[in-house]
Amino acid sequence: TQLLEQSPQFLSIQEGENLTVYCNSSSVFSSLQWYRQEPGEGPVLLVTVVTGGEVKKLKRLTFQFGDARKDSSLHITAAQPGDTGLYLCAGMEYGNKLVFGAGTILRVKS
Amino acid sequence: NAGVTQTPKFQVLKTGQSMTLQCAQDMNHEYMSWYRQDPGMGLRLIHYSVGAGITDQGEVPNGYNVSRSTTEDFPLRLLSAAPSQTSVYFCASSYHIAGTNNEQFFGPGTRLTVL
Repeated sequence: TQLLEQSPQFLSIQEGENLTVYCNSSSVFSSLQWYRQEPGEGPVLLVTVVTGGEVKKLKRLTFQFGDARKDSSLHITAAQPGDTGLYLCAGMEYGNKLVFGAGTILRVKS
Repeated sequence: NAGVTQTPKFQVLKTGQSMTLQCAQDMNHEYMSWYRQDPGMGLRLIHYSVGAGITDQGEVPNGYNVSRSTTEDFPLRLLSAAPSQTSVYFCASSYHIAGTNNEQFFGPGTRLTVL
């Protein structure tokens, strides 16, 4: 099983600040997915990036997939309290199997 | 559509007891899987299935059994519960279309404590 390292583990910021979460691997994945999870619920897919160098935007969230398809980042601009949650990256292996990073707990204070 | 449903929501077991965690989906998804989530470790794949009658092991299968007799249901059985199996368990489902990156839909989870 390939490994995904996610950083930072915790992030506590003020409303309006920007932040970046990183997801790194020594292995190549066919695609990489980002999920958001709220307490007491299952993860919900935010985005899938497939092509090396790909950039996708979802309102204030920007997702990048590294050129070599080994790493990815999630950048949030002007964070809001509603962005609070656990952010998980997951690499897609052969046969639909997902390998998850350990997650980043984000807290945005108003 | 109810999506992916899991029962029970919470469960407390004593060491050595057995139980079955239920998972059902109404989206006609071929692919179903079970994960466990522990603090600081993300989600780890226990078992998965690409269709009725087909199951395979994931990263952490020991102590768990699965079966897939229908497309809709994918129960997870703990044969003899151990404290190390205290965790939150998530079931997920998706289409299984070769060459595409299928979104996985997760259930709300079962929080299991083994004393």
